Amino acid sequence: GAGVSQSPSNKVTEKGKDVELRCDPISGHTALYWYRQSLGQGLEFLIYFQGNSAPDKSGLPSDRFSAERTGGSVSTLTIQRTQQEDSAVYLCASSLGRTGGTDTQYFGPGTRLTVL
Amino acid sequence: AQSVTQLDSHVSVSEGTPVLLRCNYSSSYSPSLFWYVQHPNKGLQLLLKYTSAATLVKGINGFEAEFKKSETSFHLTKPSAHMSDAAEYFCVVSNQAGTALIFGKGTTLSVSS
Repeated sequence: GAGVSQSPSNKVTEKGKDVELRCDPISGHTALYWYRQSLGQGLEFLIYFQGNSAPDKSGLPSDRFSAERTGGSVSTLTIQRTQQEDSAVYLCASSLGRTGGTDTQYFGPGTRLTVL
Repeated sequence: AQSVTQLDSHVSVSEGTPVLLRCNYSSSYSPSLFWYVQHPNKGLQLLLKYTSAATLVKGINGFEAEFKKSETSFHLTKPSAHMSDAAEYFCVVSNQAGTALIFGKGTTLSVSS
């Protein structure tokens, strides 16, 4: 079946602009996650959704970052007033939503964000 | 807090020889541990996971890992490397709440003919 999809695949923006990144999870997956992969910091967790709620936002690096999920499906990660240090690959993952940390997370191909 | 340490940033092997990628973890609870692989310009793919069942876990493409609580290790092995195994490998632990994965820094595996 279809995997996790993300759009756009690449985004180039100017410092100070806002950007929106989209994630379509695997159908039927109630849990959705955002991560960031950068050369300096490696792979970092950003936020976790269960349904439309975000019980764990502990990884969001600043209040310029926000995310929402509607209809228990599509999620949008928004970065306001982008900075050069926001340049990274933003990865989305989804899982069935079982508790206990045993869920397998399936990752999308990522959105490469470049802030000039 | 939980964490993982991948002991080698780069491992080079010859095709047909064994692969060993080392990972140590730190956790105050019984962890779920994973190995993911990332091929160039491809997404992350799960190789295998340990979730407190059998300590020897078999994954895809001939990889396996052994959970050793006494050594706090979860090393990844493969008996015979193939050229297609060249990729970045991540050792991962789930946080206690199960809401996030915590990734190691990664090990780049190079395979020469």
